[in-house]
Amino acid sequence: NAGVMQNPRHLVRRRGQEARLRCSPMKGHSHVYWYRQLPEEGLKFMVYLQKENIIDESGMPKERFSAEFPKEGPSILRIQQVVRGDSAAYFCASSTGGSYNSPLHFGNGTRLTVT
Amino acid sequence: AQTVTQSQPEMSVQEAETVTLSCTYDTSESDYYLFWYKQPPSRQMILVIRQEAYKQQNATENRFSVNFQKAAKSFSLKISDSQLGDAAMYFCAYQPYTNAGKSTFGDGTTLTVKP
Repeated sequence: NAGVMQNPRHLVRRRGQEARLRCSPMKGHSHVYWYRQLPEEGLKFMVYLQKENIIDESGMPKERFSAEFPKEGPSILRIQQVVRGDSAAYFCASSTGGSYNSPLHFGNGTRLTVT
Repeated sequence: AQTVTQSQPEMSVQEAETVTLSCTYDTSESDYYLFWYKQPPSRQMILVIRQEAYKQQNATENRFSVNFQKAAKSFSLKISDSQLGDAAMYFCAYQPYTNAGKSTFGDGTTLTVKP
């Protein structure tokens, strides 16, 4: 049973380009969460999605960032016009439900470097 | 808003010895979960141990145990018989009873194990 799959593992973008990060949840999981980890810091919640719905995006920057989890295919975190401050590790987690009794399973993250 | 504080940025321990990592948190909720995650250089987030706030008994997983003091809002991790493979960044995390994916993480403690 494959775990949460994130790709790419490493992504380098120049300032002003777009970054697209993909996350395929564990089989049977319909809830996806994105977190960002800046250097020397813990993970910070960004957004919570279910299939075709954004449930909670309170941690997402208001501009340039968007996320989707379509009916078919992986969840995508999209960052437009990247800036140096976007350089971080982005983690995806999935679960079977949104309640306390549904533990999170994390992917290995995508390290985004903006040059 | 919930906050999680790890006051020890770095800790070291001799192989086979015991080490305790500190974590305090702030919440107005009475029901919640607390976690310790391990993040080795591979960046993978590995669940070490979890504690339900309504349980008075401290959780234990092999060489890992916690000291959960609900009134003091303290949740420390004890690693017994430390092994070289325990070297990693350790994160304390608070998970609300609902909206499980919106967890709050501390900034981490880097644990070094000396042979």
